[in-house]
Amino acid sequence: ETGVTQTPRHLVMGMTNKKSLKCEQHLGHNAMYWYKQSAKKPLELMFVYNFKEQTENNSVPSRFSPECPNSSHLFLHLHTLQPEDSALYLCASSQEPSGTRWSSYNEQFFGPGTRLTVL
Amino acid sequence: SQELEQSPQSLIVQEGKNLTINCTSSKTLYGLYWYKQKYGEGLIFLMMLQKGGEEKSHEKITAKLDEKKQQSSLHITASQPSHAGIYLCGADVGGGSEKLVFGKGTKLTVNP
Repeated sequence: ETGVTQTPRHLVMGMTNKKSLKCEQHLGHNAMYWYKQSAKKPLELMFVYNFKEQTENNSVPSRFSPECPNSSHLFLHLHTLQPEDSALYLCASSQEPSGTRWSSYNEQFFGPGTRLTVL
Repeated sequence: SQELEQSPQSLIVQEGKNLTINCTSSKTLYGLYWYKQKYGEGLIFLMMLQKGGEEKSHEKITAKLDEKKQQSSLHITASQPSHAGIYLCGADVGGGSEKLVFGKGTKLTVNP
């Protein structure tokens, strides 16, 4: 247990569906992240939130819409996805955002991920 | 953009053997993380290296950072089946960015 939970753990959806992924951290961290992990590709950063404000959008298509209502919760809203969006979506949190200073405060704690399949 | 190359891509060893995984950066390393991932699960933090020449150990795993070579190595001594998984290195791209880049991972199998 890393203190970061994600629901659901598995999700199968059609291309016309709308669904949401949820991430919750119980660590009192200020930064939260969404990553995408596809087969045979490096882990890709999607979004960064720092104190509920989005500070990084790594050229993610608009069919992925993040929401961070507070420092403990992060959502990823999905709509009209494509089959190539099928992947493991990982949420992470850190006490401070990576890059602000190089210290143990930047260590990212990851959730177990949501395995998404788009039909 | 910065890229991290991990080698080997996969590794199969007999229990009790030593092994080394390498992570090479295309640009200057400002620091490096090592994570372990079991298939289909989240990443577990192993170690963070901040300075050139730094070496850290945790149980039977040792990691080193060679800033000049823009490289880090992860060494496992007397491997056990519990060491099996995917090892990923991640690095800060620098310049105040909040972005970490990751290698593709090294899949380790340890046969009893």
